[in-house]
Amino acid sequence: AQSVTQPDIHITVSEGASLELRCNYSYGATPYLFWYVQSPGQGLQLLLKYFSGDTLVQGIKGFEAEFKRSQSSFNLRKPSVHWSDAAEYFCAVGRGSTLGRLYFGRGTQLTVWP
Amino acid sequence: GAGVSQSPSNKVTEKGKDVELRCDPISGHTALYWYRQRLGQGLEFLIYFQGNSAPDKSGLPSDRFSAERTGESVSTLTIQRTQQEDSAVYLCASSSDRGPDTQYFGPGTRLTVL
Repeated sequence: AQSVTQPDIHITVSEGASLELRCNYSYGATPYLFWYVQSPGQGLQLLLKYFSGDTLVQGIKGFEAEFKRSQSSFNLRKPSVHWSDAAEYFCAVGRGSTLGRLYFGRGTQLTVWP
Repeated sequence: GAGVSQSPSNKVTEKGKDVELRCDPISGHTALYWYRQRLGQGLEFLIYFQGNSAPDKSGLPSDRFSAERTGESVSTLTIQRTQQEDSAVYLCASSSDRGPDTQYFGPGTRLTVL
């Protein structure tokens, strides 16, 4: 069965520190990979996505993610966190055979200390 | 252009009542999705509409849940005889193409069943 694991439920970092949020998935073929961010009271906003090609993808707000097939991972990174990055982050996986539905991880809540 | 809109933004109902949640997708988007987000959880797929194809209902948790879509426009998610475990945020998303294309999410409807 398809699954997405975000092992860190809550992460706290200081403003200006670097950030890495982990995401692992289980799927036999190459998946389609997404990171979304959800701020309090808001819907989900797409940060970045990987469909094919270069395994290092750049997104909005200075975020990037790297697809590592050998590790079944798609970790999200940012070199210097801003207080406005405090939010919940969701990793999601899609497969063409499932007609577009996404499988989501449980999310990682990011707290940023000033 | 306008994004995905949902109404109402909040709904409080009594156990056993029926509720209807509405989603207006981005104009021109052929695919529409409903997800449920329980407190502290990731998103759980409910149902997917793609054009005139039969909807993928595989995520609906019980026969109390149903959804309709008028052409490639508005969708309504109906929950009959609501239970307390139905309390969640119901998110709608739309995308422009078949398959795991970028899904754009609405702000959600927060349903509270007393």
